[in-house]
Amino acid sequence: EIQLVESGGGLVKPGQSLRLSCAASGFTISGHNIHWVRQAPGKGLEWVSSISTSSRYISYADAVKGRFTVSRDNAKNSIYLQMNSLRAEDTAVYYCATVTDGGLDHWGQGTLVTVSS
Amino acid sequence: SYELTQPPSVSVSPRQTASITCSGDKLGDKVVSWYQQRPGQSPVLVIFQDGKRPSGIPERFSGSNSGNTATLTISGTQALDEADYYCQAWDSDTVIFGGGTKLTVL
Repeated sequence: EIQLVESGGGLVKPGQSLRLSCAASGFTISGHNIHWVRQAPGKGLEWVSSISTSSRYISYADAVKGRFTVSRDNAKNSIYLQMNSLRAEDTAVYYCATVTDGGLDHWGQGTLVTVSS
Repeated sequence: SYELTQPPSVSVSPRQTASITCSGDKLGDKVVSWYQQRPGQSPVLVIFQDGKRPSGIPERFSGSNSGNTATLTISGTQALDEADYYCQAWDSDTVIFGGGTKLTVL
């Protein structure tokens, strides 16, 4: 069974950092581009970042550019999102998802990040 | 930046057909996917490449995309279809989501 499990969320103060992890099982991530998507409480989906299979192509939403860094370790079948200089508006559930044929076809259960003083 | 616009809410009676639109400039030139999200759950892909259904998605879900509008159609709507629905397209290598539509089955 294909599964993605996010972890690393929690409560932090503005300006602090967090590192999210996305662990895959049931398949190897080496053949998949991976995306991070977030959803603020009661709001819609917002794309955050993407990383290609070899990490050659990386993209970020303007809202997180310069503060977030995505990476992957294909040997560990995992993807990471390093989040620095966190702001209140970064409060959201963060999902990782695979892409197949243009659709985000497998999603994790999400991990909640709360940024509050 | 590219934007996708969805109606905030759509209502439908059980067993009727629900249509949810997604509009964007020359959207027909892009590839559109649709996601269903029930409360407290992760999004689920229900349509990809404008009109294809992933395995396990009921045939009552269909999609189309032409001109400036993509449409998700749910035929014979059931109570369990009540959820938020999001359209999604690609702008270069970035993902764009619509604002979401809450489907209510009355």
